[in-house]
Amino acid sequence: AQKVTQAQTEISVVEKEDVTLDCVYETRDTTYYLFWYKQPPSGELVFLIRRNSFDEQNEISGRYSWNFQKSTSSFNFTITASQVVDSAVYFCALRGPNQGGKLIFGQGTELSVKP
Amino acid sequence: DTGVSQNPRHKITKRGQNVTFRCDPISEHNRLYWYRQTLGQGPEFLTYFQNEAQLEKSRLLSDRFSAERPKGSFSTLEIQRTEQGDSAMYLCASSFIGTSGRLLLSSYEQYFGPGTRLTVT
Repeated sequence: AQKVTQAQTEISVVEKEDVTLDCVYETRDTTYYLFWYKQPPSGELVFLIRRNSFDEQNEISGRYSWNFQKSTSSFNFTITASQVVDSAVYFCALRGPNQGGKLIFGQGTELSVKP
Repeated sequence: DTGVSQNPRHKITKRGQNVTFRCDPISEHNRLYWYRQTLGQGPEFLTYFQNEAQLEKSRLLSDRFSAERPKGSFSTLEIQRTEQGDSAMYLCASSFIGTSGRLLLSSYEQYFGPGTRLTVT
């Protein structure tokens, strides 16, 4: 069975702090895809990143960075120098190779960045 | 606006009534997905279409739920005899999969609409 666990339900930081959101996944597939989505208060899920299981390179995009480690089945997301606009619920998701593309989401982490 | 759109954005209905939601995907996308999200949880997969064919349905999709995509463009999700447990955000997403010659082209990313929030009283 596939499963995504985001153990941190809520995180609160002060602006300019760095924050890491944890994601641990379970799958028996050797090929799979991992995603992060942001859900601001408006409710619309915004795609942030996709990572293939065969590509373990970490990625940086501006203040965002992602650390993918197959050995620990983790795909963590770090926001550097957080800003108030980063306040949202962040979801990690998993997709298998031949499942029609359906995403298995974690429970989400609500990030609150205070000024 | 070329994103995924959903209508209505909010729906309040009484228990036992039928409701129908509409999703218009990104125009060139041939896959369309429905998810349900309850408060404090991540979205849960309900069903998906490739063009007009419904290829997979979750066990969450009871007999009271039906989804269609008659012309391979927009989709509707109908809930009959609504129950209070149906109260949730219903999310639609779309993506593209296809080939160019022998090359498989696929947009693994799913792009989501703003959702329809259903409240059953």
